[in-house]
Amino acid sequence: RKEVEQDPGPFNVPEGATVAFNCTYSNSASQSFFWYRQDCRKEPKLLMSVYSSGNEDGRFTAQLNRASQYISLLIRDSKLSDSATYLCVVVFSGGYNKLIFGAGTRLAVHP
Amino acid sequence: EPEVTQTPSHQVTQMGQEVILRCVPISNHLYFYWYRQILGQKVEFLVSFYNNEISEKSEIFDDQFSVERPDGSNFTLKIRSTKLEDSAMYFCASSINRGDTEAFFGQGTRLTVV
Repeated sequence: RKEVEQDPGPFNVPEGATVAFNCTYSNSASQSFFWYRQDCRKEPKLLMSVYSSGNEDGRFTAQLNRASQYISLLIRDSKLSDSATYLCVVVFSGGYNKLIFGAGTRLAVHP
Repeated sequence: EPEVTQTPSHQVTQMGQEVILRCVPISNHLYFYWYRQILGQKVEFLVSFYNNEISEKSEIFDDQFSVERPDGSNFTLKIRSTKLEDSAMYFCASSINRGDTEAFFGQGTRLTVV
């Protein structure tokens, strides 16, 4: 089983749509969770951290379900500028100095 | 806004040659990392560095790889004898605290081994 697994997509959605991405992780002792965004041929950039209580930042909502080892990202009112690859990232307990990346889910928002 | 800078942006080298990829982490950060991303694949951890020593490394980071912080600002990745399969984007990252806090990535060096 892959350490961090994501649906590769692509998700093609119109502007204004709501889209949800899912991610599962294999290590039940995982410590920290993030969503990063990566534009084509660019570096990953932190979108948001994911907390057990769930958290929201504007149009973005992230949720964590530790029992199911599942993380989600919801984007509301999609903009053209949201087009990117969304990377689910996990820090495993005991591996405090490395990020484990999923392969990413590609989102394409069209007019 | 402070940022991680990497040079060069693109490096082409012949198989078997040594390459050094350079990075200047954010000045008050204490943890430094190298990651790589082969075209079309996921970002993979190579090595983390703290307090002037390697704190963790992956199985990719074999004897052909080394890291160094030669002065107070630079952080380098050396590949001693490049192979075709080393062709990838190499990202340097730094964080103020350990890896479970936000890591800031440089723009990457695209290494092409021919």
